[in-house]
Amino acid sequence: GNSVTQMEGPVTLSEEAFLTINCTYTATGYPSLFWYVQYPGEGLQLLLKATKADDKGSNKGFEATYRKETTSFHLEKGSVQVSDSAVYFCALKGDAGGTSYGKLTFGQGTILTVHP
Amino acid sequence: GAGVSQSPSNKVTEKGKDVELRCDPISGHTALYWYRQRLGQGLEFLIYFQGNSAPDKSGLPSDRFSAERTGESVSTLTIQRTQQEDSAVYLCASSSRGTGAYEQYFGPGTRLTVT
Repeated sequence: GNSVTQMEGPVTLSEEAFLTINCTYTATGYPSLFWYVQYPGEGLQLLLKATKADDKGSNKGFEATYRKETTSFHLEKGSVQVSDSAVYFCALKGDAGGTSYGKLTFGQGTILTVHP
Repeated sequence: GAGVSQSPSNKVTEKGKDVELRCDPISGHTALYWYRQRLGQGLEFLIYFQGNSAPDKSGLPSDRFSAERTGESVSTLTIQRTQQEDSAVYLCASSSRGTGAYEQYFGPGTRLTVT
């Protein structure tokens, strides 16, 4: 079945540091890939997505590129802010040819803390 | 507009009791999902409704878990004879369609504690 593996956390950075959170996946066919974020005390919300190989999703200064050759979707941000402190989840949605079609498969989440 | 709502926000129950969790999706969304988030872990898929199609129940962990949805509106997740390992946050999400990379909008969750 489908699976998503995220880098182990937690990650602690100083403001303006560069962020990378690694995400790799296992899936058949051509899944869609997502990053979701959960800010303290808030619900899960979509941060960015990519639906095919080499697509780059971007939002709020975050970027992730769908790399089919390495089955990866690493999240990056050039200069983090304190307000980026949250839990980040990588997820995939299987394509129409698979039994996992429709549902999201999530990684275990990475806690990011940014200090001033 | 209104987002996905869930009730109750918190539920404490004794082991062996039945609980019912409710989800109100965004109006017009045909797809509805239930996930479970155990402490320190990622989200675990439970069940998926898409319009009038048969639900995908492949993620339900045991026959103590069941869910219903009335048309394209409210859904209830029922856990019978609760066990301590059922303690988790139960999240509901809806999307305009189940097919394609449509965004899933998540509710705030119900935190279930089984004592």
